Amino acid sequence: EAGVTQFPSHSVIEKGQTVTLRCDPISGHDNLYWYRRVMGKEIKFLLHFVKESKQDESGMPNNRFLAERTGGTYSTLKVQPAELEDSGVYFCASLDSSTDTQYFGPGTRLTVL
Amino acid sequence: ELKVEQNPLFLSMQEGKNYTIYCNYSTTSDRLYWYRQDPGKSLESLFVLLSNGAVKQEGRLMASLDTKARLSTLHITAAVHDLSATYFCAVDSWDSNYQLIWGAGTKLIIKP
Repeated sequence: EAGVTQFPSHSVIEKGQTVTLRCDPISGHDNLYWYRRVMGKEIKFLLHFVKESKQDESGMPNNRFLAERTGGTYSTLKVQPAELEDSGVYFCASLDSSTDTQYFGPGTRLTVL
Repeated sequence: ELKVEQNPLFLSMQEGKNYTIYCNYSTTSDRLYWYRQDPGKSLESLFVLLSNGAVKQEGRLMASLDTKARLSTLHITAAVHDLSATYFCAVDSWDSNYQLIWGAGTKLIIKP
């Protein structure tokens, strides 16, 4: 069974540019989460989808971040315009409801110069 | 606000030794999770602990939960080099709207 996949694995962009991160959850998982780890800090929750609906987006830092999950399958997280402090590793996870376990993707390392 | 503290944050030890990583959290938690991360890799689920007194073991790792003390431990028995990684604990509860709140991680280095 394929795990959670994320694309790209790395992205280096300049301040002011736009970047879109993609997450493909495990097939059949309705719950999808985005997290971010800024260097030296804890992993922080960003938002939670249930199918195509945003269940909780209280962790989104500001309105430069836009997440979508059209059709309830894959999700995208767009940062526009990117700022230096957006640098970090962005993780996506999907939930196996039968075991209460979130399975994580490998993360996208975003560097904003 | 739900907070999670792990200690130590860094641990270097010899193979064959035993050690414990501690995870304290600040308010009532519904569930506690332990994850492992190898450098540049994904977060791998190790244990999900759901109730007071829960104990789970997998190989040389054993996790326990004391909800009254708001403490979970991850015990490593007779450590081997392959267990070198960063270990995270995380909790969720109605306090956090069931968001996972994470500890800072414990970087474990096991020397051959």
